[in-house]
Amino acid sequence: DQQVKQNSPSLSVQEGRISILNCDYTNSMFDYFLWYKKYPAEGPTFLISISSIKDKNEDGRFTVFLNKSAKHLSLHIVPSQPGDSAVYFCAANAGNNRKLIWGLGTSLAVNP
Amino acid sequence: NAGVMQNPRHLVRRRGQEARLRCSPMKGHSHVYWYRQLPEEGLKFMVYLQKENIIDESGMPKERFSAEFPKEGPSILRIQQVVRGDSAAYFCASSPSFADTQYFGPGTRLTVL
Repeated sequence: DQQVKQNSPSLSVQEGRISILNCDYTNSMFDYFLWYKKYPAEGPTFLISISSIKDKNEDGRFTVFLNKSAKHLSLHIVPSQPGDSAVYFCAANAGNNRKLIWGLGTSLAVNP
Repeated sequence: NAGVMQNPRHLVRRRGQEARLRCSPMKGHSHVYWYRQLPEEGLKFMVYLQKENIIDESGMPKERFSAEFPKEGPSILRIQQVVRGDSAAYFCASSPSFADTQYFGPGTRLTVL
């Protein structure tokens, strides 16, 4: 039972354009969401997070949008750069439960 | 400030042997989490520890797996009598307190022959 779903296994965009990565969740108890980036043979690197009391959080080229009614969040990267090419994971947790529940990831390729 | 350290980075064991995976959290972090990533899957939570205490082990297999985080030294994830299905990447994360972001180490890739 996949509580966090990333339905696009891969995404390819042109350098300089916007990358939009999507994530859906089923557990209405989730109240904190995170995006991590992962290169091959490395651990996940934290990118950006959002609390359920917000609908948008921005950090430089990265913006996360949260639509609670749709149980959907998205990560926008603009402008996309070749160095952004990696696997992006969406993760969530609920209240006092510290364990992160992960999606399967979306592999982003940014082409020069 | 050094990040989360994990060793070894690669570990090969034969079926029936023991595997010990070590994790040194970031300086000042007293909360440690272990996750496992099986091939072609996302990360799955295994266990959450604070110094000398297991807080949540709901993701740990009931047999053969154990974890500790002693007062001194790294956190250890121990797998006894490994089987081929234990082959995976094991990631450790740490945070300074309960509510903070988890920062990950590079992982240990366990291969069971």
